Amino acid sequence: GIQVEQSPPDLILQEGANSTLRCNFSDSVNNLQWFHQNPWGQLINLFYIPSGTKQNGRLSATTVATERYSLLYISSSQTTDSGVYFCAVEGGVTGGGNKLTFGTGTQLKVEL
Amino acid sequence: EADIYQTPRYLVIGTGKKITLECSQTMGHDKMYWYQQDPGMELHLIHYSYGVNSTEKGDLSSESTVSRIRTEHFPLTLESARPSHTSQYLCASSEYFVGDSTYEQYFGPGTRLTVT
Repeated sequence: GIQVEQSPPDLILQEGANSTLRCNFSDSVNNLQWFHQNPWGQLINLFYIPSGTKQNGRLSATTVATERYSLLYISSSQTTDSGVYFCAVEGGVTGGGNKLTFGTGTQLKVEL
Repeated sequence: EADIYQTPRYLVIGTGKKITLECSQTMGHDKMYWYQQDPGMELHLIHYSYGVNSTEKGDLSSESTVSRIRTEHFPLTLESARPSHTSQYLCASSEYFVGDSTYEQYFGPGTRLTVT
């Protein structure tokens, strides 16, 4: 099956700093989502981005499908950004059942 | 945005007990999923359903079973709980939106299961 690798595994930032999280995948994808898992375990949708670029407030994401990677940018980080960021993909050229394979995540801690 | 509900949120139970984790969604999504997540680890798909009376096993082998008798309801059952079943279980649903060509998956809050 498709392999998903995320880097860095851990990241500590000072409030206000910017960061870039990376997701590499081993095969073509027809679905890619970024999630934020808060300290209570809830997964929150950030972006649906199998290709292209999207922005939502301080967050933006870019997926370069031909090179098999996606980037999540966090600007002006806040303590509420702390948690685990997951990239999840569905492999294949055409749509399937939306069965996602998750990466191992990036644990982010934002300090005052 | 989908509304996905899971109960209970936390469950501590003894070995050998039968348990059912409930999952419901109110958006009429055809596709539903169960994932298992150990602390600090990634999520693994254990079951999925493409509609009523459709259930399939996911990539991670699980001793649990699921049923899909109604579109909105996708319960997970463990016939005899064991300490190895201790984990977080997350339910999700999805639908393809033709208008904006999106296929997002939405998650419930999860159930943290501890088997003693």
